[in-house]
Amino acid sequence: DAKTTQPNSMESNEEEPVHLPCNHSTISGTDYIHWYRQLPSQGPEYVIHGLTSNVNNRMASLAIAEDRKSSTLILHRATLRDAAVYYCIREIQGAQKLVFGQGTRLTINP
Amino acid sequence: KAGVTQTPRYLIKTRGQQVTLSCSPISGHRSVSWYQQTPGQGLQFLFEYFSETQRNKGNFPGRFSGRQFSNSRSEMNVSTLELGDSALYLCASSSQPGLAVGNEQFFGPGTRLTVL
Repeated sequence: DAKTTQPNSMESNEEEPVHLPCNHSTISGTDYIHWYRQLPSQGPEYVIHGLTSNVNNRMASLAIAEDRKSSTLILHRATLRDAAVYYCIREIQGAQKLVFGQGTRLTINP
Repeated sequence: KAGVTQTPRYLIKTRGQQVTLSCSPISGHRSVSWYQQTPGQGLQFLFEYFSETQRNKGNFPGRFSGRQFSNSRSEMNVSTLELGDSALYLCASSSQPGLAVGNEQFFGPGTRLTVL
């Protein structure tokens, strides 16, 4: 069963790092992991994606476990504007199917 | 460059009616995906169209259908509305289908459908 699971909510403080976990234990070797976030009253927006090795961009870093059964989105210094629901998405290649996690609601305390 | 636009933004219907939602992708994008978002189920993939062809479909009943026109605009139709169809319906466009490497999806603001 292709499931992508995330904690329902997390809380952190401003200017501290945040680690958002995602479990995708049935992932296969060619499935990509994508992260999108949804700010209040807006549509989702792209954050980062990866396959096997860790990835960095201006918004975040993505750490993928060696067995690829889990991944962690890292916000290095959270700001109040990072408060959003973060979705971990597994893209199943071949089946051309997207499996969404339920999303983690991230609260940032000033 | 204009973003993804969805019309209408809000809609109220009653059970048994049908509804058609519209999505205009970013200029030059040929792929349009539709998602349903509810508090209980989160984001769920409905279907994706690329070059007027349905490329793949999520696990929704046949009451949910869609189409894409030659100008890449897409419509989504829900027939025989049920209370459980109340949701935010999001449309996303991209230059290529899926979430392939480098193929970011851009989401519209959504249409909030309320079924009474």
